[in-house]
Amino acid sequence: GQQVMQIPQYQHVQEGEDFTTYCNSSTTLSNIQWYKQRPGGHPVFLIQLVKSGEVKKQKRLTFQFGEAKKNSSLHITATQTTDVGTYFCAYSGAGSYQLTFGKGTKLSVIP
Amino acid sequence: GAGVSQTPSNKVTEKGKYVELRCDPISGHTALYWYRQSLGQGPEFLIYFQGTGAADDSGLPNDRFFAVRPEGSVSTLKIQRTERGDSAMYLCASSLTGIHNTEAFFGQGTRLTVV
Repeated sequence: GQQVMQIPQYQHVQEGEDFTTYCNSSTTLSNIQWYKQRPGGHPVFLIQLVKSGEVKKQKRLTFQFGEAKKNSSLHITATQTTDVGTYFCAYSGAGSYQLTFGKGTKLSVIP
Repeated sequence: GAGVSQTPSNKVTEKGKYVELRCDPISGHTALYWYRQSLGQGPEFLIYFQGTGAADDSGLPNDRFFAVRPEGSVSTLKIQRTERGDSAMYLCASSLTGIHNTEAFFGQGTRLTVV
């Protein structure tokens, strides 16, 4: 079935460096959501993107949805230790209520 | 309630036993989802309820797994004849309408360990 690939699987950055995770699909997505899961915690919704080429910002976080709606990215500027966690992209197919998650990118921030 | 509540937070059971996991969604949320998450993986869809009915149970791995939501609020995930491979974090989420483009709120999960 349709899947999304997230890269990288792991990322270690020095505090203050930028971080980007990518979510790629072989088919067009109707929407993409991003979630953050802290160590030992549960997924927390960050954002949803639905339009081709959409860009949304939340403070130091920038989310993009590709023009072809097959790719999405999450970029964090000047990482902080509070950004530590696993970032998941997720999508639901047309006519489906299933939210399918990628495998996530685990971010470690070295103080 | 203020958020999605799941009980118990941890459950250790012996292989072959029956377990029930409970989810209390956010008040007023009509949509309820169950997910299973193994270590290092993303949440894996199990079942979706809209109101009292299971609108999509295609993610249940086999007939040992069953879920109910009799009054359209609290849901129980039931696992019969548990196997060691069932060990995972079981997450419940709810959303206001269940339309695919609305935010899902997750509970803290129940960590199930089958020994």
